[in-house]
Amino acid sequence: EVQLVESGGGLVQPGGSLRLSCAASGFTVSGNFMTWVRQAPGKGLEWVSVIYSGGSTYYADSVRDRFTISRDNSKNTLYLEINSLRADDTAVYYCASGGTFSSIDYWGQGTLVTVSS
Amino acid sequence: DIQMTQSPSSLSASVGDRVTITCRASQRISSYLNWYQQKPGKAPKLLIYAASSLQSGVPSRISGSGSGTDFTLTISSLQPEDFATYYCQQSFSTPYTFGQGTNLEI
Repeated sequence: EVQLVESGGGLVQPGGSLRLSCAASGFTVSGNFMTWVRQAPGKGLEWVSVIYSGGSTYYADSVRDRFTISRDNSKNTLYLEINSLRADDTAVYYCASGGTFSSIDYWGQGTLVTVSS
Repeated sequence: DIQMTQSPSSLSASVGDRVTITCRASQRISSYLNWYQQKPGKAPKLLIYAASSLQSGVPSRISGSGSGTDFTLTISSLQPEDFATYYCQQSFSTPYTFGQGTNLEI
């Protein structure tokens, strides 16, 4: 059974940093494309970043140069390093895996990041 | 970046109704269009990929169509569990942008 479990969210001050983790089971993160999607409170879905099986990475313009996606194949875990946090980064962050036609077929339960002083 | 525009933003309907949600891309995306359903407090769920392919386990009353720039999601006979928010997403090129969502309510 495919499972994605995020952790690492919490309350952080503006300008701070966090590392989100996503532990995968039932498949290998290195064999799929893996992605992060976020959702601000009461708002829609926003695509954040992707890492492909070959290692290529891409980011939304709003997070480029502040966020870094990576994976640890030995731990079968996906990460999102978030720096220079701003109030508008406050959101639930979902880890997800890619499916056919680059759709997103499996999602974690999400982890809440709150940026506030 | 490719912009995705959904309409309507909200929709009121009744059990048994047939409803259609549209999604328009700002440039041609072939069939790289996906549809998701999200219920409050839950992660999104993939319904349709590649514009018209039904994800495993999704009921056949849900269907998708379109290619190029114009796409539709149709629910042929609304059931109580279908009341949720629906999002389209293009996976043609990064950033893989979402539409703003359609809130389907009773």
